[in-house]
Amino acid sequence: GAVVSQHPSRVICKSGTSVKIECRSLDFQATTMFWYRQFPKKSLMLMATSNEGSKATYEQGVEKDKFLINHASLTLSTLTVTSAHPEDSSFYICSARDGAGGYGYTFGSGTRLTVV
Amino acid sequence: QKEVEQNSGPLSVPEGAIASLNCTYSDRGSQSFFWYRQYSGKSPELIMSIYSNGDKEDGRFTAQLNKASQYVSLLIRDSQPSDSATYLCAVIPRQAGTALIFGKGTTLSVSS
Repeated sequence: GAVVSQHPSRVICKSGTSVKIECRSLDFQATTMFWYRQFPKKSLMLMATSNEGSKATYEQGVEKDKFLINHASLTLSTLTVTSAHPEDSSFYICSARDGAGGYGYTFGSGTRLTVV
Repeated sequence: QKEVEQNSGPLSVPEGAIASLNCTYSDRGSQSFFWYRQYSGKSPELIMSIYSNGDKEDGRFTAQLNKASQYVSLLIRDSQPSDSATYLCAVIPRQAGTALIFGKGTTLSVSS
């Protein structure tokens, strides 16, 4: 089946630094990828939708200059949290959709970000 | 206005019982519905997808969809302690393009 590799699984960074999270589709081409964040005991909140080769579409309230998304190839999307603050600490999850629709939605294993 | 509503629970059932999880959605134009299971600290895993009115069964799981009532449910028969997790209802609303929109999840606890 479809596999999405996400790393790192856990990262601790200092306030003010930037962190990059990678999401790779291993056995299919992901024309569209989605980034979610999840706070403890809360649901997954859609942050943005990225399409290969074009700018990401951000949900209302998500700062695009803070959460930089790049989807430069059909197998890789990255989320960079810039100038991280403690309130950015969260569980970030990517999801990829096979362009042919064959695999539906596949989720990465998630990244636990802690900003200290 | 929230698009997908679930009772957060917790829902507690004894081992072997039927667990019933419910979800309502606001966009009448929604066409695709999913149930995911999420263990603490892990990403969601797909249990069922349903697209047409009626029931869809897969092993111990049955998804039910009623588009007229904008209601989707998940039944888990012969519940096991390993079923204890948070169950997320997800919908593709018409206006959100292709992204899955999740409810806040229902926590299920199955006691042995």
